[in-house]
Amino acid sequence: GAGVSQTPSNKVTEKGKYVELRCDPISGHTALYWYRQSLGQGPEFLIYFQGTGAADDSGLPNDRFFAVRPEGSVSTLKIQRTERGDSAVYLCASSLMGAETQYFGPGTRLLVL
Amino acid sequence: DAKTTQPTSMDCAEGRAANLPCNHSTISGNEYVYWYRQIHSQGPQYIIHGLKNNETNEMASLIITEDRKSSTLILPHATLRDTAVYYCIVRVTQGNKLVFGAGTILRVKS
Repeated sequence: GAGVSQTPSNKVTEKGKYVELRCDPISGHTALYWYRQSLGQGPEFLIYFQGTGAADDSGLPNDRFFAVRPEGSVSTLKIQRTERGDSAVYLCASSLMGAETQYFGPGTRLLVL
Repeated sequence: DAKTTQPTSMDCAEGRAANLPCNHSTISGNEYVYWYRQIHSQGPQYIIHGLKNNETNEMASLIITEDRKSSTLILPHATLRDTAVYYCIVRVTQGNKLVFGAGTILRVKS
């Protein structure tokens, strides 16, 4: 079956702009995760959804970052007033339940100029 | 989640077994050992996980020491396509997020 998909694959924006990154999880997976990966580092956790609600948002760096999952499937990560330091690969993963194996998408490469 | 320690990089000859070590001396009784890998420009890929017993699947084998303070991921016949960053992660059974370290860069050479 289809894996986790993320769109766009690449996004270039200017400092101060607003961006939205989309994640389509594997069908039937109730848990969804967002991670951020800077160059040369391992992925860092941002937020975890169980169904429609954010069960753990402790990794969001500040209030410019927000994520939603209104129908318990697709999720959107929203970044306001982007800064150059937000440039990274944003990864999405999903799993059947919270503690199960996570399956990752290919990521969205965000570049803030 | 317990901290893990892995070598920064390793080389392996194509066709030979690749043995990737991981130390997790502070692991708790309810923490699993997970291995993921990340091939260049792709998302992390699940490989295998275990609690106490050794595990094997179509990709790899996981050997966990009896005291659970360390483990080894074994790729029995490494190919060039196994070149990647390999992450060892320990995670509580009820946990959700994965905490990635720097991982081991495995280079498989012909």
